[in-house]
Amino acid sequence: NAGVTQTPKFRVLKTGQSMTLLCAQDMNHEYMYWYRQDPGMGLRLIHYSVGEGTTAKGEVPDGYNVSRLKKQNFLLGLESAAPSQTSVYFCASRITGGAGYTFGSGTRLTVV
Amino acid sequence: ILNVEQSPQSLHVQEGDSTNFTCSFPSSNFYALHWYRWETAKSPEALFVMTLNGDEKKKGRISATLNTKEGYSYLYIKGSQPEDSATYLCAFGGGGGKLIFGQGTELSVKP
Repeated sequence: NAGVTQTPKFRVLKTGQSMTLLCAQDMNHEYMYWYRQDPGMGLRLIHYSVGEGTTAKGEVPDGYNVSRLKKQNFLLGLESAAPSQTSVYFCASRITGGAGYTFGSGTRLTVV
Repeated sequence: ILNVEQSPQSLHVQEGDSTNFTCSFPSSNFYALHWYRWETAKSPEALFVMTLNGDEKKKGRISATLNTKEGYSYLYIKGSQPEDSATYLCAFGGGGGKLIFGQGTELSVKP
């Protein structure tokens, strides 16, 4: 049982480049989330999805887009990367009801 | 903007000490309060999910309480061990499927 898998684990981008981070879960979870983690800032919610085909904005959505075309996948896109998007990105998922989140192992992104 | 505050930011204790942390959250539109344990270079792991005022949860030496009317939760660790060293996160769920995390309390337990 793989749980939540994030790819890639590391990436270096140049300013202005685009990329997509993939989150895949094999637990049939309805809810999926993208967070970023920065020193002194904790985990901040970027976008989330409450089911296949749905997405919603979190606390810090600017500069990011997401898609949930399949229930098991949640994609996070950066159209034009900026140094301010240098961060560690965590994906998480959960079932409906009162369960805790299952987190992926994170993607460390550096924008130079 | 929802504010979830944790205190203290960091804590250094000796092996065998008991300790506790606080999580403060909005007392309105409460749905759930989560606690997570986050070890360095790993992913956060769920400890507790609490939904009812007065809830108390326990897992081994770690326990948590919840007061939704005044908007706080306590996490207790009895007889801290070096392997308890981690960042402890709380997260507030106000409905709608999303959680807002506090900044965490970083615990360091010295042998």
